[in-house]
Amino acid sequence: GDSVTQMEGPVTLSEEAFLTINCTYTATGYPSLFWYVQYPGEGLQLLLKATKADDKGSNKGFEATYRKETTSFHLEKGSVQVSDSAVYFCALVTPGFQKLVFGTGTRLLVSP
Amino acid sequence: ETGVTQTPRHLVMGMTNKKSLKCEQHLGHNAMYWYKQSAKKPLELMFVYNFKEQTENNSVPSRFSPECPNSSHLFLHLHTLQPEDSALYLCASSQFTSGGYNEQFFGPGTRLTVL
Repeated sequence: GDSVTQMEGPVTLSEEAFLTINCTYTATGYPSLFWYVQYPGEGLQLLLKATKADDKGSNKGFEATYRKETTSFHLEKGSVQVSDSAVYFCALVTPGFQKLVFGTGTRLLVSP
Repeated sequence: ETGVTQTPRHLVMGMTNKKSLKCEQHLGHNAMYWYKQSAKKPLELMFVYNFKEQTENNSVPSRFSPECPNSSHLFLHLHTLQPEDSALYLCASSQFTSGGYNEQFFGPGTRLTVL
């Protein structure tokens, strides 16, 4: 079945450091890929998405590129802030289906 | 109200209690979902409703009973829960289109503690 694998956290960085959170997937067909973010005490918010190979999703300084050849969708940010501290979830959905398949989430902790 | 709202935000209940979680979406969507989020586990899809009809039940115990009276409202009725049911319960909605991708919008969740 479809699955998403994320790097285990927590990822601990200092402010203004470069961030990469790895995500790889296994899916039948051509899924759409998502990154969701969950801030403390809140639900999930869509951070960015990509619907086909080589698409780059971007939002709030975060980027991720849909790499079909490596089945990856790594999240990057050039300079993190303390306010970016949250849990980040990679997810996929196969077109025509409704089931979002999530990874286990990666906690990011950014210190001043 | 905008987006997806959930009430209550926090709930503590005993194993013999009966309670209900409520979700409302203000996005005009036709599909609604219940997810369970437990520590260190992927989000678990529990139920899916399309146009008020349940289309998926992921082997959820019968002590969880969903209800979808219309496409804007979704309930999760709880009875005789176990301590391991303590989790964050998330509601989501989407506009389902066959063949297209399916962006889901989440509510803030209800933090449930079963004593």
